Amino acid sequence: KQEVTQIPAALSVPEGENLVLNCSFTDSAIYNLQWFRQDPGKGLTSLLLIQSSQREQTSGRLNASLDKSSGRSTLYIAASQPGDSATYLCAVSSNTGKLIFGQGTTLQVKP
Amino acid sequence: DTAVSQTPKYLVTQMGNDKSIKCEQNLGHDTMYWYKQDSKKFLKIMFSYNNKELIINETVPNRFSPKSPDKAHLNLHINSLELGDSAVYFCASSLRQTGNYEQYFGPGTRLTVT
Repeated sequence: KQEVTQIPAALSVPEGENLVLNCSFTDSAIYNLQWFRQDPGKGLTSLLLIQSSQREQTSGRLNASLDKSSGRSTLYIAASQPGDSATYLCAVSSNTGKLIFGQGTTLQVKP
Repeated sequence: DTAVSQTPKYLVTQMGNDKSIKCEQNLGHDTMYWYKQDSKKFLKIMFSYNNKELIINETVPNRFSPKSPDKAHLNLHINSLELGDSAVYFCASSLRQTGNYEQYFGPGTRLTVT
C-alpha cells in the first residue's frame, strides 16, 4: 500500500532564504509525482508535475527533483518570499490517475 | 474564468439529512474526481469518473453516491449525514485518466454536520 510522508510538518524561515521540502513514498511504482500549494481556506494549485522517467522539473523559483528508486522527491524554493507562505502537498499518482497525498508541509516565510 | 467550480462553498446541516454538492469544469477534461480533506488536512480520494464512467471507488460508505450527468459535471450526493462526514470536499479534473496530466482542483466545499 502506497504511503506518502512529508518532512518537516511545519517550517518557518526568514524572507530570502532558500529552502527544501521533502517527500518520500514507499512504493516506487509511481506514474508521476505532483507538488501542490494550498492557501488557507482555498483549493489546491498545481505547482509542478514530474513524470516517473524524469529527474527534475523547474518553474521560476521552484525546482522539484525525483529519485524514484529511493522513493524521494524534494521541492526547492529559492529566495523565499512572504507570499510563498502556504501548505505544500506532495502527491504520487498511479496509472489510474489516483493521487495519494502526503500530510503536507506548512511554510511560513517571515518578512 | 473559473476552471473547476463547486457549489455550495459552505454547507451546514444536521445529522440524518441528505445533501448534494455540485461540481463543474469548463476545461474540456475527460476525468473528474472527488477528494475528502479531514480535520487534520489529510486529502484522500473518494471517486473518479472518466467520460461519465466510474473508474475509482475507494472504501467509501454507500451513503455517498456520485453522479455524472455529462463529462463536465460530477455531483456528490450524501444520504443520512453523520458527524464524521464533516470535512472539506474537493472536486478535481484532469485532461485524461491515464497519462501525465495535472489535476486541477476546485475551491472546496466545507461541510459541517451538527
